[in-house]
Amino acid sequence: GAGVSQSPSNKVTEKGKDVELRCDPISGHTALYWYRQSLGQGLEFLIYFQGNSAPDKSGLPSDRFSAERTGGSVSTLTIQRTQQEDSAVYLCASTQTSAAYEQYFGPGTRLTVT
Amino acid sequence: AQSVTQPDIHITVSEGASLELRCNYSYGATPYLFWYVQSPGQGLQLLLKYFSGDTLVQGIKGFEAEFKRSQSSFNLRKPSVHWSDAAEYFCAVAASGNTPLVFGKGTRLSVIA
Repeated sequence: GAGVSQSPSNKVTEKGKDVELRCDPISGHTALYWYRQSLGQGLEFLIYFQGNSAPDKSGLPSDRFSAERTGGSVSTLTIQRTQQEDSAVYLCASTQTSAAYEQYFGPGTRLTVT
Repeated sequence: AQSVTQPDIHITVSEGASLELRCNYSYGATPYLFWYVQSPGQGLQLLLKYFSGDTLVQGIKGFEAEFKRSQSSFNLRKPSVHWSDAAEYFCAVAASGNTPLVFGKGTRLSVIA
């Protein structure tokens, strides 16, 4: 079946602009995660949605970052007033609430802030 | 808080040789442990996971890992490496099955003829 998809695959933006990154999880997966992969910091957790519960935002690096998940499916990560240090690959993952506990990752969105 | 240490940033092995990638974790309780592989330009793929039970777990692509509680380790092994195994390998820990993963910095594996 279809895996996790993310769009766009690449995004170049100017410093100070807002960007939106989209994630389509695997159908039926109740949990959705955003991670960031950068050279300096490695793979970092950003935010986590589980069903209808309030999201765990503990990994968001600043209030310029926000995310929403509509209808328990698609998620959008928004970065306002982008900075050069926001340049990274943003990864989305989803999982079922079951004993499998495998997070399935999307291909990522490479964000470059110039 | 959980943390993961992968002591080796880069490892080079000859094709056909055995491989062991080290992973040490820090967590107060029994962790959920994972190994992921990331090939160039590809997403993360789960190789194997440990939750409980037999401490030697088998994964895909001929990989295995052993959980050693006394050493807080979860090392990844493969008896004979293939050139296609060249990739970045990440060890990760979670407090429970659905909680976010905490990743190590990764080990880059190069395979030479």
